[in-house]
Amino acid sequence: DIQMTQSPSSLSASVGDRVTITCRTSQSISIYLNWYQQKPGKVPKPLISAASSLQSGVPSRFSGSGSGTDFTLTISSLQPEDSATYFCQQSYSNPYTFGQGTKVEIK
Amino acid sequence: EVELVESGGGLVQPGGSLRLSCAASGITFSNYWMSWVRQAPGKGLEWVANIKQDGSDIYYADSVKGRFTISRDSAKNSLYLQMNSLRAEDTAVYYCAIFQIVANGVWVFDPWGQGTLVTVSS
Repeated sequence: DIQMTQSPSSLSASVGDRVTITCRTSQSISIYLNWYQQKPGKVPKPLISAASSLQSGVPSRFSGSGSGTDFTLTISSLQPEDSATYFCQQSYSNPYTFGQGTKVEIK
Repeated sequence: EVELVESGGGLVQPGGSLRLSCAASGITFSNYWMSWVRQAPGKGLEWVANIKQDGSDIYYADSVKGRFTISRDSAKNSLYLQMNSLRAEDTAVYYCAIFQIVANGVWVFDPWGQGTLVTVSS
C-alpha cells in the first residue's frame, strides 16, 4: 500500500498569510494526487486534482504542485473561510489512501 | 444537480450487521464507478470499497475485506454496502461518492453524499 504523510498536522496562521501544506508518498505516484477540503461538520470537497488542476469554482488563491513523491498545497492569501482540514489522496493504485489531514486555523 | 443520499446507519452491537444505501439522482448512475469512504469520529478519511459501472470489478480495503460487500442496482439508481461482523473500529460516518476521471486521467472522489453514521457498540 502507498503510505501518505502530510505535514504539518495542524497550523495556525493569520488572514493574508501564505500557507503551505506538504504531502509525501511512500512511492512515486506521478501526478495521481488530489487535495480535498473539509470544513467542520461538512462533506469533503475536492480542491485540486492531478496535483495541480484546480477544480471548478475553487478560488485561485489555492494552488497545487509536485510530482513523484512530493506534493504541495498552497493558499497564497489565507481567508477566514479557509479554516478547514485538508487531505491529500492518491489515485495511483488501490487502496486509494488519504493523508492524515492538516487542520488550518485562523489566528 | 447531482445528489447522493445515504441511509441505513445506526447503532449496532459488535458482531452485528447493517446495510447502507445510497440513492443517486441528477446523474446517469450506470455511467459511473461508485465508492464508499468512511471517517471515524474526529479522524481522517479511509477508502472502503469501489464498484465498477456494471458491478464486474470490485475492490475493498483490507480492513473490511471478507466482512463488507458493495453492490449496486442501476434500475434503482442505488449503491449499497452490506456490513457484517461489525467491530467497534468500524464506527464512522460512511460516505458514498462518485469515483470519476477528471484532469489528466486522474481519478477523484466527487461529489460526496452527506454521510450516514454507523456506531458499533454494546
